[in-house]
Amino acid sequence: DVKVTQSSRYLVKRTGEKVFLECVQDMDHENMFWYRQDPGLGLRLIYFSYDVKMKEKGDIPEGYSVSREKKERFSLILESASTNQTSMYLCASSSFFEASGANVLTFGAGSRLTVL
Amino acid sequence: AQSVTQPDIHITVSEGASLELRCNYSYGATPYLFWYVQSPGQGLQLLLKYFSGDTLVQGIKGFEAEFKRSQSSFNLRKPSVHWSDAAEYFCAVGADRGSTLGRLYFGRGTQLTVWP
Repeated sequence: DVKVTQSSRYLVKRTGEKVFLECVQDMDHENMFWYRQDPGLGLRLIYFSYDVKMKEKGDIPEGYSVSREKKERFSLILESASTNQTSMYLCASSSFFEASGANVLTFGAGSRLTVL
Repeated sequence: AQSVTQPDIHITVSEGASLELRCNYSYGATPYLFWYVQSPGQGLQLLLKYFSGDTLVQGIKGFEAEFKRSQSSFNLRKPSVHWSDAAEYFCAVGADRGSTLGRLYFGRGTQLTVWP
């Protein structure tokens, strides 16, 4: 069973703080993704990565950065948190090498961030 | 670019009634199509997927969906809804090639309420 683990389910941070959201997957997947979920807006892609040390911007990368130093770990960084980054953050992974697997995402449980 | 429209923000049905959730997509080639479900406070779980072949696909929990190319639709159905089906449902489209390989584009979701 593919497992995607997000280390923090709930976080409360103050404006201007640096925030790290960690995501680890245990199935040797090549692809990892960070989505942001807001009511009425669905899921919007922030960043994704197809390999170690590589990253691609998604649709809403402003105010975020990412790090992928190891294949299993993909971190989302908010350099200076702002109140409009209060949201649910979802990490996902997928594999290129399963049949049509590149598109089958497995999600973590989410990290709900509140910025005060 | 790919996009997904879920016209119904919120649907309410009685337990035991049939259900159809609508999804329309925009994509120039043959799409990969997905339905995910999200229970409160949880990540997204894959219900079913369409890659090719039979246009009627079966998923988990008694759900099915039908791909209709002429209507650019991928509607989700269940003949008899259970109270435990109350959740938010997301339709998504992906590409089988190109620069967006591995990415999914999500609709804004349909919230399902089930009356006892």
